[in-house]
Amino acid sequence: SQQGEEDPQALSIQEGENATMNCSYKTSINNLQWYRQNSGRGLVHLILIRSNEREKHSGRLRVTLDTSKKSSSLLITASRAADTASYFCATVRNSGNTPLVFGKGTRLSVIA
Amino acid sequence: DAGVIQSPRHEVTEMGQEVTLRCKPISGHNSLFWYRQTMMRGLELLIYFNNNVPIDDSGMPEDRFSAKMPNASFSTLKIQPSEPRDSAVYFCASTLKAGETQYFGPGTRLLVL
Repeated sequence: SQQGEEDPQALSIQEGENATMNCSYKTSINNLQWYRQNSGRGLVHLILIRSNEREKHSGRLRVTLDTSKKSSSLLITASRAADTASYFCATVRNSGNTPLVFGKGTRLSVIA
Repeated sequence: DAGVIQSPRHEVTEMGQEVTLRCKPISGHNSLFWYRQTMMRGLELLIYFNNNVPIDDSGMPEDRFSAKMPNASFSTLKIQPSEPRDSAVYFCASTLKAGETQYFGPGTRLLVL
């Protein structure tokens, strides 16, 4: 069964606004990762957060993880038109040495 | 490093033809993954290798699909015979260790007529 499920499926905001995307999963995880995909391109890794971490930052990105609720969120602050892309969460099960399971993604459109 | 390299970038073929997709992982990476992406099904894991050994091919849709990794720097995904429903973007990704950050290639866009 699919692990990560992103919400919303699509999000449209104005440049400068913050964008929040959520991910829910079903089983215990070792880590959770967020990726970005620009149209017609491969996925690019953004952030990895481990099960014993609650929050991580990278530039304008902030990721939180709530293992009790089996959920994560990705916040992009002060969005730019260049942030327009699809964002995927991917989970790794507790054993660790297993492949990622991707959700179907959130399509973010940032309007200039 | 050049990153993960895939070829060809685009492939148009006719139903029934054999299709071979190629991937060169990042040097030193021990795990390699093949994915398929479509609008309807999203990103699906087809097969992955650890140290050139296939670990899980449960995502391979049918016997028409096969994958090999003869050495640490090269992998192929073959579809024989191809069908229109195989049309998709196929990605290869590699990582130092399964479960850690993956590095994706640019993908091969396959169209089977």
